[in-house]
Amino acid sequence: NAGVTQTPKFRILKIGQSMTLQCAQDMNHNYMYWYRQDPGMGLKLIYYSVGAGITDKGEVPNGYNVSRSTTEDFPLRLELAAPSQTSVYFCASSYYGQGYEQYFGPGTRLTVT
Amino acid sequence: AQSVTQLGSHVSVSEGALVLLRCNYSSSVPPYLFWYVQYPNQGLQLLLKYTSAATLVKGINGFEAEFKKSETSFHLTKPSAHMSDAAEYFCAVSDEYGNKLVFGAGTILRVKS
Repeated sequence: NAGVTQTPKFRILKIGQSMTLQCAQDMNHNYMYWYRQDPGMGLKLIYYSVGAGITDKGEVPNGYNVSRSTTEDFPLRLELAAPSQTSVYFCASSYYGQGYEQYFGPGTRLTVT
Repeated sequence: AQSVTQLGSHVSVSEGALVLLRCNYSSSVPPYLFWYVQYPNQGLQLLLKYTSAATLVKGINGFEAEFKKSETSFHLTKPSAHMSDAAEYFCAVSDEYGNKLVFGAGTILRVKS
């Protein structure tokens, strides 16, 4: 199993550009998550999904969109990139929610200039 | 809402010394608690988790944590630090609905030779 994969590893965007961060898992997990990590701030949840076709906002959803058309994939869309979206983005998945550990991808480092 | 407080954003210990990383939580329901570790430029990986079984939980790499309900704490310990333990450590608690985790801000552990 590859686990949770993310592409790209690094990306530099200009202000106002858009992009999609890709996330895929091959563990047949129901739950998937997108976090951003900023120094000294821990991980903040952007969006999550409890199954294909079901998504919900987390703590910091503004400026982002998600979709979940399959169990395996959970892309994160940035529209009109802003410098405040410079961060490291992590995707994670878990079998269910309560009590089940989350498995993390290697992250995407995004810089918006 | 659930919350997690990690005391000390940076902890420095000598190689061979006791490691103690502190975590306090607030939870309106019996909590599920987790410790994750993040090595530089990597995603998070699970160290250990508490899911209402034994209050002393053993994890990987010699780490353990004790759940103390009366103190709402879940401190992480290791008897003897190794250079390879240098990393950032995150405490997390399941939210009241069991759909997602709430993370602390993280503690960076430095191990001196």
